[in-house]
Amino acid sequence: QLQLQESGPGLVKPSETLSLTCSVSGGSITSSGYYWGWIRQPPGKGLEWIGSIYYTGSTFYNPSLWSRVTISIDTSSKQFSLRLNSVTAADTAVYYCARNWGSWWFDPWGQGTLVTVSS
Amino acid sequence: QSALTQPASVSGSPGQSITISCTGTSSDVGGHNYVSWYQQYPGKAPKLMIYDVSNRPSGVSNRFSGSKSGNTASLTISGLQAEDEADYYCSSYTSSSTRVAFGGGTKLTVL
Repeated sequence: QLQLQESGPGLVKPSETLSLTCSVSGGSITSSGYYWGWIRQPPGKGLEWIGSIYYTGSTFYNPSLWSRVTISIDTSSKQFSLRLNSVTAADTAVYYCARNWGSWWFDPWGQGTLVTVSS
Repeated sequence: QSALTQPASVSGSPGQSITISCTGTSSDVGGHNYVSWYQQYPGKAPKLMIYDVSNRPSGVSNRFSGSKSGNTASLTISGLQAEDEADYYCSSYTSSSTRVAFGGGTKLTVL
């Protein structure tokens, strides 16, 4: 059964870079037909798609974040990563990774990791 | 402000049926059969309940069903149970550069 697990610092200072990694287990990260995505959820608020990556490295980003976001993939380690530059308090959220199917639904999801932006 | 519009809250008694609406535009809900629904308990990750408008993943109760009419998609839960009390989010592919839109979420209360 495919499982995803986010990891990374829980606290990031304003103006610095948020970096998270998602580890995939129980299945292949190079299977065709789906992407690997990042979604975030500010405390008490709704979901926001950040971006997605194919195993070949092809990416899609949310236009509202594209200038600050980089998603990469390491197929040998079965991991994909998120970097978000120049963070502010508005980037405080639970960050989820998920498998992104071809018609743009997400399943399964990682358990999520809370990242707080504060000095 | 979310791209897709959902009611903030709905409620129902055990055994009843409820419907949660998700309204978008012809660029998202109305233009593609790529609507999905997620259930989220407090402090937990979202769980896929419906994909491609009306398809249920393996393991999801058949009490959950999805449909679409025009620019509005709907999630119906029949035979309400206490365990259904959660937040529900809709999502849709969008032909805009945003690619994926989510609704603002609906809190379901089982009375």
